[in-house]
Amino acid sequence: GAGVSQSPSNKVTEKGKDVELRCDPISGHTALYWYRQSLGQGLEFLIYFQGNSAPDKSGLPSDRFSAERTGGSVSTLTIQRTQQEDSAVYLCASSLDRGLNTEAFFGQGTRLTVV
Amino acid sequence: SQQGEEDPQALSIQEGENATMNCSYKTSINNLQWYRQNSGRGLVHLILIRSNEREKHSGRLRVTLDTSKKSSSLLITASRAADTASYFCATPGASGSARQLTFGSGTQLTVLP
Repeated sequence: GAGVSQSPSNKVTEKGKDVELRCDPISGHTALYWYRQSLGQGLEFLIYFQGNSAPDKSGLPSDRFSAERTGGSVSTLTIQRTQQEDSAVYLCASSLDRGLNTEAFFGQGTRLTVV
Repeated sequence: SQQGEEDPQALSIQEGENATMNCSYKTSINNLQWYRQNSGRGLVHLILIRSNEREKHSGRLRVTLDTSKKSSSLLITASRAADTASYFCATPGASGSARQLTFGSGTQLTVLP
């Protein structure tokens, strides 16, 4: 595709339910990031994938959060037993990662609301 | 804590005026990037300045970098109402993975027509 695609755009879920958020990065991009942004706040790093290397999961806030990236392309962020504080916009980004001097391309995000 | 901290948190100016936003960071960097975000959705990359550069221009944007002070500024000249957005600085290699991008808390710019 032309850009990073995220689905769904919006998700309303009941507290305690599990949710899956999907990210389709730009074809050929080896690096993929997940961030979370609460209303009016900055971006909180969650997890980073780079090629076949072990992902950097240092930003995941609890063990209810997990993510995987299959075949080095599509990524899924899963939140189990959702809580109201999980409500936020979840942003995915990808980059070519040609060394450090590369820009990240963002999707439009998934707005998650836990009621 | 955030690697980059933007200043001010919010800025309101009249159309045609210049807008200056600042970013401070804590660790050594290879480059610093500025992004723009409309309406709390996806971010768009504006400009990247490398650590060996002091100033860079792109259209109405001018970015400076002072590695001795660990700070950067973004200047938008002749602002337009369409420039209203949140602006974030980001640096790679701030923590964890060397390539992980860490974002500041952003400056909300409002340009009044």
